Amino acid sequence: QITLKESGPTLVKPTQTLTLTCTFSGFSFITGGEGVGWIRQPPGKALEWLAVIYWNDDKRFSPSMKSRLTITKDTSKDQVVLTITYMDPVDTATYFCAHLDPQLVYLEMYAFDFWGQGTLVTVSS
Amino acid sequence: AIQLTQSPSSLSASVGDRVTITCRASQGISSALAWYQQKPGKAPKLLIYDASTLESGVPSRFSGSGSGTDFTLTISNLQPEDFATYYCQQFNGYPLTFGGGTKVEIK
Repeated sequence: QITLKESGPTLVKPTQTLTLTCTFSGFSFITGGEGVGWIRQPPGKALEWLAVIYWNDDKRFSPSMKSRLTITKDTSKDQVVLTITYMDPVDTATYFCAHLDPQLVYLEMYAFDFWGQGTLVTVSS
Repeated sequence: AIQLTQSPSSLSASVGDRVTITCRASQGISSALAWYQQKPGKAPKLLIYDASTLESGVPSRFSGSGSGTDFTLTISNLQPEDFATYYCQQFNGYPLTFGGGTKVEIK
């Protein structure tokens, strides 16, 4: 069974860098075809896709956030790390990591079939 | 980026009703659309992908249709556990985008 869990600070100050870790189980980047994405949701608002990283280290980013985002994977630890620089109060949101089914990825269908519980990050001085 | 517009933004319905939610894309996306259900304080749950393919384990009262720019999610025989917010997401290439959501409330 696939599970994902986000971890990181719950409070950051404006201009600081946020580092979030997604620790997963039930799949491995070694297998091939796997992808993990990050999606955020400000309180009471809609979902916003941020970034994806694939087993082969291919990475995709939201154009509006690209200059502030870094995404990496640690295959030995089954983790994906997202960093966001220059945090601002408008970045206050619940941040989710989610899995892309490799069978769907091979068909170029990028839908997230398993999600972490999310972690709320507040940006405030 | 492709924009997705959902309508209505909210609706009230009763148990047993048939509910239809619309998602319109700003340009053609073939059938590259997914639907998610999200309950308060929870992560989204994948319901449908490829516009009409039901994810494993999702009840058959959920169905999706459409292609190009216009898509619908239909819930037939609405159940108490279906009251939630529903989002569409397109994956016709990157960047991935989500619709603004439709909240289904109890009448």
